[in-house]
Amino acid sequence: DIQMTQSPSSLSASVGDRVTITCRATQSINSYLNWYQQKPGKAPKVLIYAASSLQSGVPSRFSGSGSGTDFTLTITSLQPEDFATYYCQQSYSTLMYTFGQGTKLEIK
Amino acid sequence: EVQLVQSGAEVKKPGESLKISCKGSGYSFTSYWIGWARQMPGKGLEWMGIIYPGDSDTRYSPSFQGQVTISADKSISTAYLQWSSLKASDTAMYYCARRSVLYNYMDVWGKGTTVTVSS
Repeated sequence: DIQMTQSPSSLSASVGDRVTITCRATQSINSYLNWYQQKPGKAPKVLIYAASSLQSGVPSRFSGSGSGTDFTLTITSLQPEDFATYYCQQSYSTLMYTFGQGTKLEIK
Repeated sequence: EVQLVQSGAEVKKPGESLKISCKGSGYSFTSYWIGWARQMPGKGLEWMGIIYPGDSDTRYSPSFQGQVTISADKSISTAYLQWSSLKASDTAMYYCARRSVLYNYMDVWGKGTTVTVSS
């Protein structure tokens, strides 16, 4: 099974900051990497798919990069509504799409 | 509007059976895979499995194989997740989600169903 590890598990930042979250796979997953945002009490929402493609309607301050085993989600100029938990997900394994453990982004 | 509407919260006792649902609307239900994910209280998302309602092809995560059953009734555009004998450790939020046809990601999510198992 492919395991996904995110770092950090949590981080504190201020409005206007630039933050980066990383995700590492235990084997190459090419560009089959997605990022989701989840706010408390809400369902996850896709931000980025295929490592770097921005989902329609998602603000351009969100971006993704990487391929193979190492990936990053970058949020430039943090907004108050961006404080949430972020999950990466690999979709390389046929129909077995494992998630990372999540990164909680909190207000400093 | 494309949406997945999940059934309401459930409170059950250990050993009881349960079937929760996820009804798709606003799109061709039989043409998209529907996946299920678990989120235990205060924890992260776990992939459980996925079904293609068009032909009921179903795949399970090894962690959930034999523990739950995923099914679908395409005549009413509804997918299901069921347990034959619940445990306290099944207490969680369960989400269904649709897989995009463009790429391997989940583009539409239900609001979730809370399952509480307690004696």
